[in-house]
Amino acid sequence: QVTLRESGPTVVKPTQTLTLTCTFSGFSLNPSGVGVGWIRQPPQEALEWLALIYWDDEKRYSPSLQNRLTITKDISKNQVVLTMTNMDPMDTATYYCARRPGYCRRGSCPPFDYWGQGSVVTVSS
Amino acid sequence: IRLTQSPSFLSASVGHRVTITCRASEDIGNSLAWYQQEPGRAPKLLISAASTLQSGVPSRFSGSGSGTEFTLTISSLQPEDFATYHCLQPRAYPFTFGLGTRLEIE
Repeated sequence: QVTLRESGPTVVKPTQTLTLTCTFSGFSLNPSGVGVGWIRQPPQEALEWLALIYWDDEKRYSPSLQNRLTITKDISKNQVVLTMTNMDPMDTATYYCARRPGYCRRGSCPPFDYWGQGSVVTVSS
Repeated sequence: IRLTQSPSFLSASVGHRVTITCRASEDIGNSLAWYQQEPGRAPKLLISAASTLQSGVPSRFSGSGSGTEFTLTISSLQPEDFATYHCLQPRAYPFTFGLGTRLEIE
C-alpha cells in the first residue's frame, strides 16, 4: 500500500526558511525512475509544481522558485525533504508531496499517482 | 508548456453530461492527466496518458485527445462528482497544471 505523509510547521514568519518532510511507504526510490515531487496550492487557487527528485539524485525545480528551493532525499528513512528560503505571505498554501511512478517511456510520461494529505503552511508574523 | 483549461466554472445537474477541455501550448503527445479534488482533500488521479482510466475510477469518466487538445467527459453526473478538476502535463519540465474547473450542482 502506497502512502505519503507531509510534516512540518503550520506557521512560519516572513523571511524564515520552511522545511517540509515527506515520509513515504509502499515503494522505494529505485532505478525504474520512481520520483517524489512537491506541489503546492494557495487557498482557492491552482496547483503549482515545485520540485522533483529521483533515485539517482536527479533534481528538477520550478524555474520561478529554483533559487529558493532545495530538495533532498534520505533513502534509508524513506523521506524526501523540501526547503524553501525567504518565506513570504504569498507562499501561504497547502504543500503536497506525491509519487511519480517512473520515467517517460515510448513517449508517454507518467503523472503523480499517489499524493499525501497535504501540509497547510501559513506565512505570517 | 502552458495549459489552458476551460471552463473555469461549470454548473450542471445530476445525470447530465459535461466536458472539460485542456489545451497545451505545444505538442505533449498523450502526456496529460486529469485529477479530481474535493474541498480539503488532495487531488485524486482519474486519468493518465490522456485516456487511461485509473483503477477504481467509475467508467462514466473518460478522457480523450492528443497533441495539444484534451477533454475530460463525465457521461452522467453523480452527486459525488461535484468537485474541482485539474489537468497536468508531466511531459516536460517544469510540469504545469491547468487553473482548474469547479463543477457545481445546478
